[in-house]
Order: sequence, then C-alpha cells, then structure tokens
Amino acid sequence: DAKTTQPPSMDCAEGRAANLPCNHSTISGNEYVYWYRQIHSQGPQYIIHGLKNNETNEMASLIITEDRKSSTLILPHATLRDTAVYYCIVRGLSGTYKYIFGTGTRLKVLA
Amino acid sequence: DAGVIQSPRHEVTEMGQEVTLRCKPISGHNSLFWYRQTMMRGLELLIYFNNNVPIDDSGMPEDRFSAKMPNASFSTLKIQPSEPRDSAVYFCASSSYSVSGANVLTFGAGSRLTVL
Repeated sequence: DAKTTQPPSMDCAEGRAANLPCNHSTISGNEYVYWYRQIHSQGPQYIIHGLKNNETNEMASLIITEDRKSSTLILPHATLRDTAVYYCIVRGLSGTYKYIFGTGTRLKVLA
Repeated sequence: DAGVIQSPRHEVTEMGQEVTLRCKPISGHNSLFWYRQTMMRGLELLIYFNNNVPIDDSGMPEDRFSAKMPNASFSTLKIQPSEPRDSAVYFCASSSYSVSGANVLTFGAGSRLTVL
C-alpha cells in the first residue's frame, strides 16, 4: 500500500474553508484515495474517496492532482464541530486489502 | 441500521485476566477489521476477515491475542492473559468488500480497555 504524508496539525477560522493536503507520491494506478476523520475518541468516520476525478459530497470536496501524487480535502465552511484528526489513506483493490491509518492531521477550528 | 455494535464499551480488569471484546458488523457487510488505538502508536490494524475467514493477522501483537469470526454477524477479540500494556481503545469496523469498487469502512464506537 502507498504511503501518505500529512502535516501533523492545522488551524482554521470558523466559517472559512479548511484545506487539508496529503502527499501520496507512490500511488499506483488502481489505488483510491480515502479520507476519514476521528472526532475526539469516537471511531473514525468516512468522509469521501476518489480515484482520478475530483469528488464532492455533502461533507467535503476532494481535489486530486492530475498526476495523482497528492490530494486536498476541502471543508468549505469549517465549524467548531469539524475539529478532529483527519486521515488520508491510499488503498488498492487487489493485494492485501489493508486499511492502514497514518498519524493524520489534527485540525483545530477556531472561533 | 444500528451500525457496528461493540461491547463492552468500557472494561477494567486486572493483569492476568482474560478479556473478550465483541463486535457485531453491519448486516450484509462481508469484511471485518479489528484495530487498536493508543496515544503512542496511533491506530493499528490487528486483523481482518473476508467472508468470516481471517486474511491477515500480521498486526496481532502476540500469541496472547486471538480473534474469531464464527459467523457473518459476530466476531470476538480475546486477550489471554491481559497485561497493562494492552490498555487501549479497540475498534471494530466492517465493510462490504468489492473487488471492482471502493470499499468504505464503518467503525464501531470502540471498547476502552484498562488493565491494572
């Protein structure tokens, strides 16, 4: 499975867009990019995933670069409830099918 | 849909005792994962099952740890004997496995284990 690199922490003002980067330079052609978040001590929660194209759902947008070596998760209007640890995961469809969580980015939304 | 159900939510035990954690995956999901989370080591994958069969248990720390999935609706993670360093939050997650599509994990609320 490809390795991902994320900044350990970020701050964002409430109401502003939060842009969380992720580097996955060794990603393979059939590997998806997934984003999860973990609020306090709850179980991680799925946010969004993508393969090549940009994706948007009710929670966030995912922008994947054309070479697929990096991506950005965008929370368009961050609220205090978005304070959490955000994990970027790259995982393929074949092989070991492991979901490996890194250390993530701790996002703090400031009032 | 009640989601992934884990029990107990909290367990406090003494060193040397046997601990059994339980998980009921989402109905229809055919993959199940056990994770352990600590401040020092983060979220670690212990073992996962596809169609009730253990696929990879390389993350199980020691022989003291064992996991079973006797049917599609139930799994256990057992620690025998328990040690203080096993104190952690243990998460179970399930997914509907598909070779051709993306697979999204749904996590339970976790079982917080404290070994004294």
